[in-house]
Amino acid sequence: NAGVTQTPKFQVLKTGQSMTLQCAQDMNHEYMSWYRQDPGMGLRLIHYSVGAGITDQGEVPNGYNVSRSTTEDFPLRLLSAAPSQTSVYFCASSSYPGTYEQYFGPGTRLTVT
Amino acid sequence: AQSVTQLGSHVSVSEGALVLLRCNYSSSVPPYLFWYVQYPNQGLQLLLKYTTGATLVKGINGFEAEFKKSETSFHLTKPSAHMSDAAEYFCAVSDRQTGANNLFFGTGTRLTVIP
Repeated sequence: NAGVTQTPKFQVLKTGQSMTLQCAQDMNHEYMSWYRQDPGMGLRLIHYSVGAGITDQGEVPNGYNVSRSTTEDFPLRLLSAAPSQTSVYFCASSSYPGTYEQYFGPGTRLTVT
Repeated sequence: AQSVTQLGSHVSVSEGALVLLRCNYSSSVPPYLFWYVQYPNQGLQLLLKYTTGATLVKGINGFEAEFKKSETSFHLTKPSAHMSDAAEYFCAVSDRQTGANNLFFGTGTRLTVIP
């Protein structure tokens, strides 16, 4: 049981490049989410999903796209990377409806130059 | 709207001393409350949670927290700090208005333990 996995662990992009951050979970959780963590700002919700085919925006969705074609996977796409997207990105999942307890992946550290 | 305030971005305690990390929240509906811990270069790990029932909740590693509705607080405590407790701690409140499982996080408190 691997829990929540994320790839890559580290990534450096140039401004304007696109990329996809991968997230997968093997706990059969319906709910999945993406957060970004910036110093002094805690974690902010980017996008979330309550099941396959259902996604919605969180607090800071601009510049990011998501899709949810399977229960297990929830990739995050950066369409045209900007330096402001330099951050650590965390994927999380939980049972749904459930009690909101979320399980986090190890994170992806992204630098945009 | 939900929000979380963590007082003190940095807290230092001596090994063996009491740990007290403060968290206040605002929520228009009865909240679920959480404390997460993050060790360097790792993801977040759940320490404890309050959903319903007993207001004093115990978590892993000897931590506990008390839900005080009248004070809108959920402070985290540990009677005796250990060097291994050095980490960043995040308080979070549930967003029960959207019907999803979203959480709002505080800005975090970095705990330093002095030998």
